[in-house]
Amino acid sequence: AQKVTQAQTEISVVEKEDVTLDCVYETRDTTYYLFWYKQPPSGELVFLIRRNSFDEQNEISGRYSWNFQKSTSSFNFTITASQVVDSAVYFCALRTEYSSASKIIFGSGTRLSIRP
Amino acid sequence: DAGVIQSPRHEVTEMGQEVTLRCKPISGHDYLFWYRQTMMRGLELLIYFNNNVPIDDSGMPEDRFSAKMPNASFSTLKIQPSEPRDSAVYFCASRRGNTEAFFGQGTRLTVV
Repeated sequence: AQKVTQAQTEISVVEKEDVTLDCVYETRDTTYYLFWYKQPPSGELVFLIRRNSFDEQNEISGRYSWNFQKSTSSFNFTITASQVVDSAVYFCALRTEYSSASKIIFGSGTRLSIRP
Repeated sequence: DAGVIQSPRHEVTEMGQEVTLRCKPISGHDYLFWYRQTMMRGLELLIYFNNNVPIDDSGMPEDRFSAKMPNASFSTLKIQPSEPRDSAVYFCASRRGNTEAFFGQGTRLTVV
């Protein structure tokens, strides 16, 4: 079975602090893709990153960085020097190529609040 | 590219009425997904199409829900008759091959 767990329901930090959002996934497939999406207060879902199971290289994009570790089945997301505009719900998601027939399975989301 | 376009953005309807949600995927994308988002259940996949063909509709709640994709640039999700528990935000998403899915802005449905 495929599953994505985001144990942190809500996080609140003061602006300029660093914050890490955790994501743990479960799958028996060897080929899969992991994603992060952002849902700001306006409601749309914004794609942030895709990572495939064969590429464990960490990625940095500006203040955003992602740490993918297959050994712990985790794909964590860190925001450095957080800003109020980062306030949103963040979803981690998983897609496998075979057993789930190409569905994207979302975690329950982490609501991040950045206080000025 | 204009992105995935959904209409209407908001819909308020009375219980028992038919509701039709519309989606225009990104041109060239061969997969189309309909999701529903509620506080209680989060993001749920209702149905998805590949090359206009429904592949998996196991997430459709019941027979009151139906979805069609008559061509590569248009899909509908219909609820008939609608019930208050159908109130949610409905998202359409599309993707090309093995890439990431892009979501529309959603339709907020309220059934009173």
